[in-house]
Amino acid sequence: AQKVTQAQTEISVVEKEDVTLDCVYETRDTTYYLFWYKQPPSGELVFLIRRNSFDEQNEISGRYSWNFQKSTSSFNFTITASQVVDSAVYFCALSEEVSSGSARQLTFGSGTQLTVLP
Amino acid sequence: SAVISQKPSRDICQRGTSLTIQCQVDSQVTMMFWYRQQPGQSLTLIATANQGSEATYESGFVIDKFPISRPNLTFSTLTVSNMSPEDSSIYLCSVMRQYTGELFFGEGSRLTVL
Repeated sequence: AQKVTQAQTEISVVEKEDVTLDCVYETRDTTYYLFWYKQPPSGELVFLIRRNSFDEQNEISGRYSWNFQKSTSSFNFTITASQVVDSAVYFCALSEEVSSGSARQLTFGSGTQLTVLP
Repeated sequence: SAVISQKPSRDICQRGTSLTIQCQVDSQVTMMFWYRQQPGQSLTLIATANQGSEATYESGFVIDKFPISRPNLTFSTLTVSNMSPEDSSIYLCSVMRQYTGELFFGEGSRLTVL
């Protein structure tokens, strides 16, 4: 069975601080996908990143960066120089591969509520 | 990203009634998923809806309570039947874009049952 653990329920930081959101996963599959989503107070889920299990390269997108460590089954997310608009619930999710390149339904972590204070 | 429209965005319903939520996608997609997010909780998959076949339900969810339709590759509906206050949740439609495997979500339908 698949499982995603986000041990940090809530995090508060002051604007411009860096913050790392932890994600640890469990799966028996050799091929799988990892995702991060942002859910602002308005409720919609915003797709941030998708990473497959064979690509362990870290990725940077603007102020966002992701650290995928297969050896520790972790896929952590760092926001650099945080801003108030980053305040949201962040979900890490895991999916097995149905066919080549295609993920299927997601197993979500419990989410981390990030509050960035001005 | 895929454009996914859900209707209604929110509703307040009486116990015992049923509500149908619509999900419209701007492009053809193979797989559509329906999730539930109870207040303060994470997302739980209700079912997977493929065009031309019956939906596949996850453990704890049954067709009589959550009937789903998928008449074509751009549209699906989820009905929450005989509602009780415990059904108060956000219901989200999700689609997988073919060949890229990216999974996108609609803006959700926030349902309150009195």
